[in-house]
Amino acid sequence: EAGVTQFPSHSVIEKGQTVTLRCDPISGHDNLYWYRRVMGKEIKFLLHFVKESKQDESGMPNNRFLAERTGGTYSTLKVQPAELEDSGVYFCASSRGLPRETQYFGPGTRLLVL
Amino acid sequence: QQQVKQSPQSLIVQKGGISIINCAYENTAFDYFPWYQQFPGKGPALLIAIRPDVSEKKEGRFTISFNKSAKQFSLHIMDSQPGDSATYFCAATGSARQLTFGSGTQLTVLP
Repeated sequence: EAGVTQFPSHSVIEKGQTVTLRCDPISGHDNLYWYRRVMGKEIKFLLHFVKESKQDESGMPNNRFLAERTGGTYSTLKVQPAELEDSGVYFCASSRGLPRETQYFGPGTRLLVL
Repeated sequence: QQQVKQSPQSLIVQKGGISIINCAYENTAFDYFPWYQQFPGKGPALLIAIRPDVSEKKEGRFTISFNKSAKQFSLHIMDSQPGDSATYFCAATGSARQLTFGSGTQLTVLP
C-alpha cells in the first residue's frame, strides 16, 4: 500500500510569489489533514477535509492560504502571495475516518520564502 | 498559547541508556495521546499511543507513562540504540480529530 505522497519535496520562492503544494493521501482515506512546522517549533494543525468538504479550517493562518480537495482525492494548498513567515515544513496526513485513528503523514514539503 | 508542552528540546543518551521525554497538556477534553517518531527527510510516524484510562502502556522498549491528575505523560525508551536517534513528538487529540503536537525532542543516541 502506497503511503501519503507530497509534491514538491522542496520549494524556494521569493516573497510575493505563489506556491502550490500537493498531497496524495492513502487510497481509501476520506480524512485529509494539513499541518505546518515553522522554525523547529511544534507541528501545527491547518485544516481537515472529510472527502471533498472542509471539516475544520480553524488553523489556517489567513486568507493567503487556500486549500482544495477536488473529488475527495488529492489536495492542494496554495499560498498567494507568499510571505517570509510562511517558510516551514508543510505536512499532509490522512486517515480512514474514526476519531483517534492513526494519521499517516507524508514526508512534507519544505518551503523557503526569500 | 501552546496546549502541549514538551521537554527537553534535545537529549543525548549513551547506547543502552534510558531516554525520557516529558509532556504536559492543558485541555481536559484531550482523550488520546500518541507519540510520533520522525527521521530526517521523513514524515512523523506513529510510535505508540495511550488513552487516559490506563497509567502505562508498553510496546517493546517503548513505554508511555500517563498521569491524568497532573495532566502529564512521558515516553521512556529503554536500552536506547543509535537507530532510535530521531525527533520525537508527543501529541494529544480528542473528538475534534486534529492532533495538537508538542514542540519536539531531538534524541541522539551515542554508540
